[in-house]
Amino acid sequence: DTGVSQDPRHKITKRGQNVTFRCDPISEHNRLYWYRQTLGQGPEFLTYFQNEAQLEKSRLLSDRFSAERPKGSFSTLEIQRTEQGDSAMYLCASRHSTGNDEQFFGPGTRLTVL
Amino acid sequence: AQKITQTQPGMFVQEKEAVTLDCTYDTSDQSYGLFWYKQPSSGEMIFLIYQGSYDEQNATEGRYSLNFQKARKSANLVISASQLGDSAMYFCAMREGEKYGGATNKLIFGTGTLLAVQP
Repeated sequence: DTGVSQDPRHKITKRGQNVTFRCDPISEHNRLYWYRQTLGQGPEFLTYFQNEAQLEKSRLLSDRFSAERPKGSFSTLEIQRTEQGDSAMYLCASRHSTGNDEQFFGPGTRLTVL
Repeated sequence: AQKITQTQPGMFVQEKEAVTLDCTYDTSDQSYGLFWYKQPSSGEMIFLIYQGSYDEQNATEGRYSLNFQKARKSANLVISASQLGDSAMYFCAMREGEKYGGATNKLIFGTGTLLAVQP
């Protein structure tokens, strides 16, 4: 399977714990996006990488959130001191700069904070 | 600011019938892209169809077509011959910024329409 993959698919944690999610984009895609989707809403942009550089962060990305893409391949999204309001689906998408506009999405990580 | 509006929270359609899902958008950009994605209950966003703002013809992909009316700023999705497997959430989205202008090109999504196909 050469699509975007995300791990884990589901995460249940207690409030105050740290969690980390991983995204593996399609191999030749240099652009990587993280989105968050809460119940009944469309995905909302969190952050964007071009290769290893994080070029944009949404105001939704509080200082408890950090994302990395150290070698321009996979990316991680860490949430520190989780809160119940962090419960959501976290979606990763990738595309190539010179390709079609389409962003290819992974299956998402569903986070539940108790 | 760019905005996508989907005014239909839910729709029913009979199997084999056609259905139109509404989408209006707001942007001051001259060049933009519009997308429709399908999200089944499993959660994955599946790309369906794309329309560029300068494309003169409406986009079509199999049973999906996009009714693009630029002056009205609408980009409705038409699904012909509905199938039970079409039951899902459908999201309209817009690309932010010029495609090759160095912008992030993040997607701005609407709130979605839940489509239920009845046998």
